Amino acid sequence: AQSVTQLGSHVSVSEGALVLLRCNYSSSVPPYLFWYVQYPNQGLQLLLKYTTGATLVKGINGFEAEFKKSETSFHLTKPSAHMSDAAEYFCAVRRAGNNDMRFGAGTRLTVKP
Amino acid sequence: NAGVTQTPKFQVLKTGQSMTLQCAQDMNHEYMSWYRQDPGMGLRLIHYSVGAGITDQGEVPNGYNVSRSTTEDFPLRLLSAAPSQTSVYFCASSYSSNWEGKNTEAFFGQGTRLTVV
Repeated sequence: AQSVTQLGSHVSVSEGALVLLRCNYSSSVPPYLFWYVQYPNQGLQLLLKYTTGATLVKGINGFEAEFKKSETSFHLTKPSAHMSDAAEYFCAVRRAGNNDMRFGAGTRLTVKP
Repeated sequence: NAGVTQTPKFQVLKTGQSMTLQCAQDMNHEYMSWYRQDPGMGLRLIHYSVGAGITDQGEVPNGYNVSRSTTEDFPLRLLSAAPSQTSVYFCASSYSSNWEGKNTEAFFGQGTRLTVV
């Protein structure tokens, strides 16, 4: 079975500051890892994903995440926060060969002017 | 390309009423699933389907039924609504794991906000 833990249900940063959203996973086999973003009253939109290969993956809107197998982590970062980044972010894991996708509880990002 | 379409967007039910949440996708995805989203709990899997005629239970299936008569459609039925089913419901679709190498992510609909009073 696989599971995801997102550390911090709320994160607040100032505009222009570093964004760091933490995600740790557990999986018995090599995982596929995802970050999704949800804007108010909207569905989930894929930010980025890790499947195989390069462990540093870049996504949309300047976000990136690094897969660290030794730490079972997949933290999401952005060097400089923008007001438009305010949203809820979900980390998700899927095992290769399995359709079941499991989500973390989510982290709400607030960006202060 | 519409992606995943859910209807309705909002619904209010009385306890004991039944209803069907509709979900359709036009990407020829084999795998479809229903999640519910509750504050502080992320998304929890209700039911899923790996293809037409095949469905199975997820983490929180009680009180919900599904069927999959076509590749495109995957409706979710609430037979007798309860206040505990007040939630936001999302339908998602993706390629089957039998096709690894294709896109592995799930595509989501815009959600249905359901209130049971």
